[in-house]
Amino acid sequence: GAVVSQHPSRVICKSGTSVKIECRSLDFQATTMFWYRQFPKQSLMLMATSNEGSKATYEQGVEKDKFLINHASLTLSTLTVTSAHPEDSSFYICSARVGGGNEKLFFGSGTQLSVL
Amino acid sequence: QKEVEQDPGPLSVPEGAIVSLNCTYSNSAFQYFMWYRQYSRKGPELLMYTYSSGNKEDGRFTAQVDKSSKYISLFIRDSQPSDSATYLCAMSPDSKLTFGKGITLSVRP
Repeated sequence: GAVVSQHPSRVICKSGTSVKIECRSLDFQATTMFWYRQFPKQSLMLMATSNEGSKATYEQGVEKDKFLINHASLTLSTLTVTSAHPEDSSFYICSARVGGGNEKLFFGSGTQLSVL
Repeated sequence: QKEVEQDPGPLSVPEGAIVSLNCTYSNSAFQYFMWYRQYSRKGPELLMYTYSSGNKEDGRFTAQVDKSSKYISLFIRDSQPSDSATYLCAMSPDSKLTFGKGITLSVRP
């Protein structure tokens, strides 16, 4: 299947700093990428849908000014957690879709964010 | 009531056992159903994808969908220690997926 690369895999930062997470589709172009958050023993919660060249669509309850999403090219989407706080500590996962269809959705390996 | 309910487990079985994993849902608009496998601190990988009621088989895995009961299942035959992982069901009416919480399966050698 297609490969989605997510970086970094783990980041530890101080409270108040900003953290950028990158999601790249390595062998295909992704017009749409999705960002999820997963707390321990919880399901993946969709945070936002990222569309190349346009503003991201955020799910209800997700602060768009805190979680900045940029999808500047067909192979790269970034999520920036601004002014991170301990409650933002979580596992963040991106996914990218190859064309249409849910069976063509591929996930990155995730980023574990720990805010001290 | 949550849109997707999945028994959180955990589940431990001996090698060779048949495993049955289940999810129920409440949204009648769901028409695409998926099962993902997720290893610890990794992204999910797609195991099975169905969009209609009935069974779909792929090797040792069988996915079953009963839309009238709003119930889906994943069966794993001849389970192996390498099957030990967290299994998540997911479903959607279109392109936006709703996931279950996942169940952690451990297959004992």
